[in-house]
Formats: sequence, C-alpha cells, structure tokens
Amino acid sequence: GESVGLHLPTLSVQEGDNSIINCAYSNSASDYFIWYKQESGKGPQFIIDIRSNMDKRQGQRVTVLLNKTVKHLSLQIAATQPGDSAVYFCAENSGGSNYKLTFGKGTLLTVNP
Amino acid sequence: SAVISQKPSRDICQRGTSLTIQCQVDSQVTMMFWYRQQPGQSLTLIATANQGSEATYESGFVIDKFPISRPNLTFSTLTVSNMSPEDSSIYLCSVEGAGVSTDTQYFGPGTRLTVL
Repeated sequence: GESVGLHLPTLSVQEGDNSIINCAYSNSASDYFIWYKQESGKGPQFIIDIRSNMDKRQGQRVTVLLNKTVKHLSLQIAATQPGDSAVYFCAENSGGSNYKLTFGKGTLLTVNP
Repeated sequence: SAVISQKPSRDICQRGTSLTIQCQVDSQVTMMFWYRQQPGQSLTLIATANQGSEATYESGFVIDKFPISRPNLTFSTLTVSNMSPEDSSIYLCSVEGAGVSTDTQYFGPGTRLTVL
C-alpha cells in the first residue's frame, strides 16, 4: 500500500518469503527494461534486465517477468533476506538511437527478520 | 561493470551560489547521463553529456541552470547554478556501454545537495 510522506508504494515481507514487485510501464515501443535496487544513501544498482523479445528471465534469486500485452513488468525475489530491503525501480528504454531511461515511481521493500 | 565515482558525495550550499559535481569512470564509455532524484522520488533525466559537443537537455532543464561538460570519454561535470532550496536533491551520473550489456546504465553513488 501507499506510505504517506515517502511518495512510494511499500511492500513488507517476512524474511524467507518470496517478494513480488510490480511495475506498469508507459511506452508500448519500449524494447528494453531494467530493474534497479537503491539502498539508502547509495546510487541505483543494476539487478536484472530483459528485452522485449522475452517474457521471462532468471538471475540469482531474482526473476523478471514481462507482459507486453498489458505493459507490465514484475520482479520476483526468492527467499527474501534483510539485505534485500531497499527501494526498487523499474526503468524502460524505448530503444533505437534513444538511450534514455524512463524510471517508474519505485517500491520500498522492507524485510522483517 | 565500470567503477563510477562522484565528487563531492554531499554538500550544503547557500542560496544563489553554484556547485560543480564531478563524475569519473575508470574506463572509457560511450554515453554519460545526469539525473536528479528529489527527496523520496524517482529519477529524472536532466541531460545526456556528449563528448566534444553540447549536452542534450530534457524538457524542463536548461543549459544556463545546469551547464554540463564532457571533455573526454571518462569524465563529466554538472554545475547547479544560482541554487535555490528547490534544487536540494540527489544528483546522479550514469554511464552506458561499460558493462556486460552495452544498453545497461550503471550509476554512480550520487551527490546529496542541500540548499539553505
């Protein structure tokens, strides 16, 4: 739900649970998507990416799902750990000669021990 | 991926003054970008720093307020001019073409600016 004052949606999970963070993107022409993790006081850190010719990609403990029909992206984190607590941003790149990334609002993930 | 550093890491400045932020990469990169992240919010692209030519600014950002330099393929500066409290933000540089995926942008640690 919403957290007043932080301007960010929040997700609170128990350690060991799986987390799912959702993102709706805006541009149907976007062909490349990235998830970033931003811990307090740090810059965004690359987690995983996916191109529009795929609908699923797996990394270490993370999976990204892409549904182009409804312009929806999700990040699944398996066995969430306290170190996963951070703000997670999705970003889209409309491709071609346009290198610009457009970022989503972000979701604050809190992992309770 | 490339190692990206920014200086200063944080600063507190007076209204009406200017601050220049540096971004240094440990390898040559094709693209460098500057973003602003206002408190509790997402990232907004300010401009693309072009090597050897004028930066390309996004809507709402102008060169007089945010002059940018990029003298070579590893270094860029962003100046926040004539600052006001509304300029208090985190300023981030990012680079593209420096990692496993050439389309991916990697970010520096950010410069936390407070304007009094």
